Amino acid sequence: DGGITQSPKYLFRKEGQNVTLSCEQNLNHDAMYWYRQDPGQGLRLIYYSQIVNDFQKGDIAEGYSVSREKKESFPLTVTSAQKNPTAFYLCASSTTFTTNYGYTFGSGTRLTVV
Amino acid sequence: AQSVTQLDSHVSVSEGTPVLLRCNYSSSYSPSLFWYVQHPNKGLQLLLKYTSAATLVKGINGFEAEFKKSETSFHLTKPSAHMSDAAEYFCVVTARYSSASKIIFGSGTRLSIRP
Repeated sequence: DGGITQSPKYLFRKEGQNVTLSCEQNLNHDAMYWYRQDPGQGLRLIYYSQIVNDFQKGDIAEGYSVSREKKESFPLTVTSAQKNPTAFYLCASSTTFTTNYGYTFGSGTRLTVV
Repeated sequence: AQSVTQLDSHVSVSEGTPVLLRCNYSSSYSPSLFWYVQHPNKGLQLLLKYTSAATLVKGINGFEAEFKKSETSFHLTKPSAHMSDAAEYFCVVTARYSSASKIIFGSGTRLSIRP
């Protein structure tokens, strides 16, 4: 079955460490996105990519980095510059970069700083 | 510019009774509107979407929503709640055919079902 796979499901980070969250899709979608979700808030866009080798900053990109070397993969690195990284991170994809079709979401990664 | 307001952060209903989750939106252009559901520690699943066809939209699991332009609302309803409906629900707005980076998520409504 086609879908989006995020790994790991739970991740713990020490202060000052960089960590990378994996996102893989086999839907042949062109566009991919990373969102951050905090309790009681909606989703906030971190980065997005319309095509391979291209990505753009979203609303809260500071302290994060991404790459899009393959169509199927869009990993997110949470760097030590991100001051409050504890959150639930969701990866999504869509067939095109226009909004009419909605997103397919992964099951999320919960990152906790220890 | 677009914005979306979910009017209730938490709704609690008894099993078998109707569900109403309220969403108001603001959009400078013709909007596309979506409802997503999120179960605990899971990703979001698309329930239904409005993109300019019929104003009454039917979705999965018996949910439906009605686009009311005069009231700028897109409320989600279900005639009879089931225990499995307990989850977080997000209303989403965007300008039709705009880039997907302009999607705006509401802050969510947590639906609880009493036995």
